[in-house]
Amino acid sequence: DAGVIQSPRHEVTEMGQEVTLRCKPISGHDYLFWYRQTMMRGLELLIYFNNNVPIDDSGMPEDRFSAKMPNASFSTLKIQPSEPRDSAVYFCASSLTGQVMAQHFGDGTRLSIL
Amino acid sequence: AQSVAQPEDQVNVAEGNPLTVKCTYSVSGNPYLFWYVQYPNRGLQFLLKYITGDNLVKGSYGFEAEFNKSQTSFHLKKPSALVSDSALYFCAVRDISNFGNEKLTFGTGTRLTIIP
Repeated sequence: DAGVIQSPRHEVTEMGQEVTLRCKPISGHDYLFWYRQTMMRGLELLIYFNNNVPIDDSGMPEDRFSAKMPNASFSTLKIQPSEPRDSAVYFCASSLTGQVMAQHFGDGTRLSIL
Repeated sequence: AQSVAQPEDQVNVAEGNPLTVKCTYSVSGNPYLFWYVQYPNRGLQFLLKYITGDNLVKGSYGFEAEFNKSQTSFHLKKPSALVSDSALYFCAVRDISNFGNEKLTFGTGTRLTIIP
């Protein structure tokens, strides 16, 4: 079975540019999570969705960040405008409700803002 | 509120020796507890979970963890370490008393190094 797929794997862009990260969850999973990992702050939950609806976005750092899930098989995390402090590895994870399933993580997008 | 503490940033163990990676948690109600492993340039991979029942949980790659409610701990263990176990390990908790809460709170991670 295909796991969670994230693209791109690496992104290098200049400060002020718009960045879009993409995620395809495991088919049939109804929860989708976006995390950010840095050395300083560890693994932080940014936002999560249930059945394509945002449930908790309290971890989104500021208005420059936005996330959408237009359908069950696709989600985006957008940063506009980007800043050097946004440099991190961004992970997407998905899970299935009702069975206490573990979250399944993608391999992440390593984002560098110059 | 839910939180997890991993008191050791780094653990070094000789190959073949038993290993323990420590984790303590705090929740308002009852916890679901998880261990994940992360290899370089990869996402987190699920190792094992505690939901209910037997306090000793067995997982992937020969790992196990013991749930101790009185000490609010969920330490990860393995009887004989392999060099390939070297990785970053994360403990995570979810408070199931909070209805509808699907959020996992992760610890800061422990880097495990197995010395040949």
